[in-house]
Amino acid sequence: QSALTQEASVSGTVGQKVTLSCTGNSNNIGSYDVGWYRQISHGAPQTIIFTNSLASGIPDRFSGSKSGTTASLTISGLQPEDEADYYCSTWDYSLRAVVFGGGTKLTVL
Amino acid sequence: QVHLQESGPGLVQPSQTLSLTCAVSGGSNIIIGDYWSWIRQAAGKGLEWIGSVSAGGSATYSPSLKSRVAMSVDISRSQFSLKLTSVTAADTAVYYCARGRGAYYPNSFDSWGQGTLVTVSS
Repeated sequence: QSALTQEASVSGTVGQKVTLSCTGNSNNIGSYDVGWYRQISHGAPQTIIFTNSLASGIPDRFSGSKSGTTASLTISGLQPEDEADYYCSTWDYSLRAVVFGGGTKLTVL
Repeated sequence: QVHLQESGPGLVQPSQTLSLTCAVSGGSNIIIGDYWSWIRQAAGKGLEWIGSVSAGGSATYSPSLKSRVAMSVDISRSQFSLKLTSVTAADTAVYYCARGRGAYYPNSFDSWGQGTLVTVSS
């Protein structure tokens, strides 16, 4: 059971806007910045967002936001190469640990 | 952009100690304010944080692994290391080193190594 909850799977068509969510509590997402990563075919994770910043080389059709204890990653103009597993992370003050979400499998139809 | 590269044995016997090193290179080496981290992923599973160590040597470990983990940093060699004792088959995973960012604690990671598969088996 992950401390952060993500949808198991999300799908969208090319060109569509999709939003992935990452839900935690006041000890983690409610208090700290969130990172987002994508992993293609079990290769090394690639950072999309860290400490509220878009990582170098990531197109600006990716954006992150947070409302209360839920963080969101929005992909505008979905592309076939966006099909991947997406993970979120943050610090948990209560657990004294970095926590990851269980991951969302994004399928581009 | 910093480059990270893991190295170490790909096969470890049960009850032995897993030892990995991560070499840091590129425009930014081991500096104050960053958290040099280890993360692992078992086959078909999600990402699991093992721990992070600062340039000053202060380390924070996952509560579930704390009794078996030790991390260290060697600024002169621009590398940091992981030791995991008393390994079992459950420790078989791809191990990634990464640079953690955050104001007071690591909350996200901006650079990753390519990962190294460590299998625990006799």
